[in-house]
Amino acid sequence: QVQLQESGPGLVKPSETLSLTCTVSGGSINNYYWSWIRQPPGKGLEWIGYIYYSGSTNYNPSLKSRVSISVDTSRNQFSLKLSSVTAADTAVYYCARPWVYWGQGTLVTVSS
Amino acid sequence: DIQMTQSPPSLSASVGDRVTITCRASQNINNYVNWYQQKPGKAPKLLINLASSLQSGVPSRFSGSGSGTDFTLTVSSLQPEDFASYYCQQSYGTPYTFGQGTKLDIK
Repeated sequence: QVQLQESGPGLVKPSETLSLTCTVSGGSINNYYWSWIRQPPGKGLEWIGYIYYSGSTNYNPSLKSRVSISVDTSRNQFSLKLSSVTAADTAVYYCARPWVYWGQGTLVTVSS
Repeated sequence: DIQMTQSPPSLSASVGDRVTITCRASQNINNYVNWYQQKPGKAPKLLINLASSLQSGVPSRFSGSGSGTDFTLTVSSLQPEDFASYYCQQSYGTPYTFGQGTKLDIK
């Protein structure tokens, strides 16, 4: 059974870079697309972007200037970086293999 | 971007009731709609993909229909574990977008 687990700091200061990693277990990262999705507290879902195992990416235009997704096939991991964060970036961040497999989510709070 | 307009935003119902949630896309998206159930503190769970294809393990009381721009999720007879939030999503084109959600609670 494929499992995904997000990891990274739960608190990030304004203007800094949010960095999260998703570790995939129970299956290979190869030959699939992998996505990041976020959900501000009490609000709806927003797709951030995806990466193919080969490294090609596609980002939400609303975040494109600040987001970067990378993959490390040797570690079965993919990562998210979101720069210049503000309080509006406070959310639960999910990684997923579209669209059946999701991580449990990790809350990232942007605050000084 | 393709907008997904979901209604109603909230719904109160009783065990055994039949409920329907609708989603309207801002353009033709064929049948590229997914439906999710989300419980508090949990990740979304895929119920239906491609508008009407029930995921393995999902009870048959859940069904989806529609194509083009109008889609529905129906629960034929609500069970206590069905009280949750529900989201539609279009996977026709990027950026993938979600409806605003429907919170289903007990009357």
